[in-house]
Amino acid sequence: TQLLEQSPQFLSIQEGENLTVYCNSSSVFSSLQWYRQEPGEGPVLLVTVVTGGEVKKLKRLTFQFGDARKDSSLHITAAQPGDTGLYLCAGHFPAGTALIFGKGTTLSVSS
Amino acid sequence: DVKVTQSSRYLVKRTGEKVFLECVQDMDHENMFWYRQDPGLGLRLIYFSYDVKMKEKGDIPEGYSVSREKKERFSLILESASTNQTSMYLCASSLAGVLETQYFGPGTRLLVL
Repeated sequence: TQLLEQSPQFLSIQEGENLTVYCNSSSVFSSLQWYRQEPGEGPVLLVTVVTGGEVKKLKRLTFQFGDARKDSSLHITAAQPGDTGLYLCAGHFPAGTALIFGKGTTLSVSS
Repeated sequence: DVKVTQSSRYLVKRTGEKVFLECVQDMDHENMFWYRQDPGLGLRLIYFSYDVKMKEKGDIPEGYSVSREKKERFSLILESASTNQTSMYLCASSLAGVLETQYFGPGTRLLVL
């Protein structure tokens, strides 16, 4: 069974702080996605990364795909209360067709 | 905008009841998925379908069945609900292709008493 490990599981920070969430696997991803889920809603896609070493930016969010395509990180600069939610990484592995989800990181940003 | 709707936001059922969860998407997507989401366990795939009348088991299909008679509709059936099926159920759809975005519905929170 291919597993995605996400860390940390919970993160509680003050507005304006920076944070990084990690997603790791012992297997190589063919692609990796990051989703954000707000309470009472379904996950919404933030980004898809495909190429090893790829970096994508979405306003204050920076997503990085490891060179070996076994890990990824999400960095948020100057977090705001609106960033509060559950952040999920999800990967496709070369041998599989379904997305494998990590357990998620619950982020709480207080003002 | 893609819209994925689920028939109920909240549902309370008794042990042994047959439960139907309905999901409808309006973007002509080929793929549809059913997940359950539990605290500390993340999203786990129950079943998915890549075409009408086609289905594939996910990671946790036991106790569930599915039906896809029309392209836009994917139903999840709990033949005899049990308390350990109390969970948040999420439906998603996507175009065919591995890198395609999955669009999720708002979820159905099911409580089995």
